[in-house]
Amino acid sequence: GAGVSQTPSNKVTEKGKYVELRCDPISGHTALYWYRQSLGQGPEFLIYFQGTGAADDSGLPNDRFFAVRPEGSVSTLKIQRTERGDSAVYLCASSPLGYNTDTQYFGPGTRLTVL
Amino acid sequence: KQEVTQIPAALSVPEGENLVLNCSFTDSAIYNLQWFRQDPGKGLTSLLLIQSSQREQTSGRLNASLDKSSGRSTLYIAASQPGDSATYLCAVRTGANNLFFGTGTRLTVIP
Repeated sequence: GAGVSQTPSNKVTEKGKYVELRCDPISGHTALYWYRQSLGQGPEFLIYFQGTGAADDSGLPNDRFFAVRPEGSVSTLKIQRTERGDSAVYLCASSPLGYNTDTQYFGPGTRLTVL
Repeated sequence: KQEVTQIPAALSVPEGENLVLNCSFTDSAIYNLQWFRQDPGKGLTSLLLIQSSQREQTSGRLNASLDKSSGRSTLYIAASQPGDSATYLCAVRTGANNLFFGTGTRLTVIP
């Protein structure tokens, strides 16, 4: 596709439920990033994939959060036992090779609301 | 840990004015700095990327400068237009993987 796409655009769930958020990066980009943006804040890094492997997951807040990228393209962010504090916009970005000098291209985000 | 600060948090200007947005960061060991635009309910659009070896980048009415040693960057917008209204975020890259973002400056250009 022309850009990074994310689905769903909005997700409302109840506390304790499981959710999956999907990211389709720009075709051919090997690097993929997940960020979380709380209201009034800048995005915060969660996890980075180079190809199929999670090269850096140091930003995941706890073990309820997990992400996969099994074929090196689409990625899914999974949140178990959701809590109200997980409510935020989850942003995905991709870059061509993951070099330090690369621009990261962002998707529109998924707004997650945990009731 | 890298901390990025943006001042002011919000700014309103009349159409046609030139304006400057400020960004400061605590750790000068960066690879690059990037300015983004975010519209309400939308993702981030990259405006300018300045590598650590560069001092400035220009794109149309936008000019971004970088003073790595002092930990500062500015985004200059010339002849502002109502369509420039958005939140502007700066982000620095200090490692291989992630960006550290500021909290943004919310700009309103009044027609």
